[in-house]
Amino acid sequence: AQSVAQPEDQVNVAEGNPLTVKCTYSVSGNPYLFWYVQYPNRGLQFLLKYITGDNLVKGSYGFEAEFNKSQTSFHLKKPSALVSDSALYFCAVRDVRSKSTFGDGTTLTVKP
Amino acid sequence: DGGITQSPKYLFRKEGQNVTLSCEQNLNHDAMYWYRQDPGQGLRLIYYSQIVNDFQKGDIAEGYSVSREKKESFPLTVTSAQKNPTAFYLCASRGWEGGPIAGELFFGEGSRLTVL
Repeated sequence: AQSVAQPEDQVNVAEGNPLTVKCTYSVSGNPYLFWYVQYPNRGLQFLLKYITGDNLVKGSYGFEAEFNKSQTSFHLKKPSALVSDSALYFCAVRDVRSKSTFGDGTTLTVKP
Repeated sequence: DGGITQSPKYLFRKEGQNVTLSCEQNLNHDAMYWYRQDPGQGLRLIYYSQIVNDFQKGDIAEGYSVSREKKESFPLTVTSAQKNPTAFYLCASRGWEGGPIAGELFFGEGSRLTVL
């Protein structure tokens, strides 16, 4: 069975500092990895994905993620955080049968 | 604009009543999904459908039912058999991108169900 772990419930950073939101996964076969963001009482929005190719993936709003096969990780990063980045972030993994498994989410708070 | 529309946004239900949540998409996507979100937990899959007139149970299907009579529509019924139905419900769809991989999910804005 596939699984996703987001080891931090909460991440706090100061505006302008780099941010990292961690994600590790377990899946048989090649992983298809995704990051989504959710603002309060809203649906999830897609940020970026890794399917194949370069290990560094660039996405929306200046976010990027690095796929590390040996560490089975797919950490979300941004060089300079904004207050407006404060939200709930979900990592997800898919298998070829089309089902997605989500982590429990990490709340990112960026303080001015 | 293309997207997914969920209704109602907020719904209150008395115990013992069935309720139906609407999900409509105009993205021409084949696959559609229903997730349940509880505080502090990730999304849990209730049901999914990869094609019209076909659907499969997800991880927490008990107490729920769905239909997929049209490509655009995937309604979810929360039945009285669901013991703890108060939650935030999210509908999503995914397009076909030339193979059984790759497609990200597009989500609606969610429906918040409260049982009184």
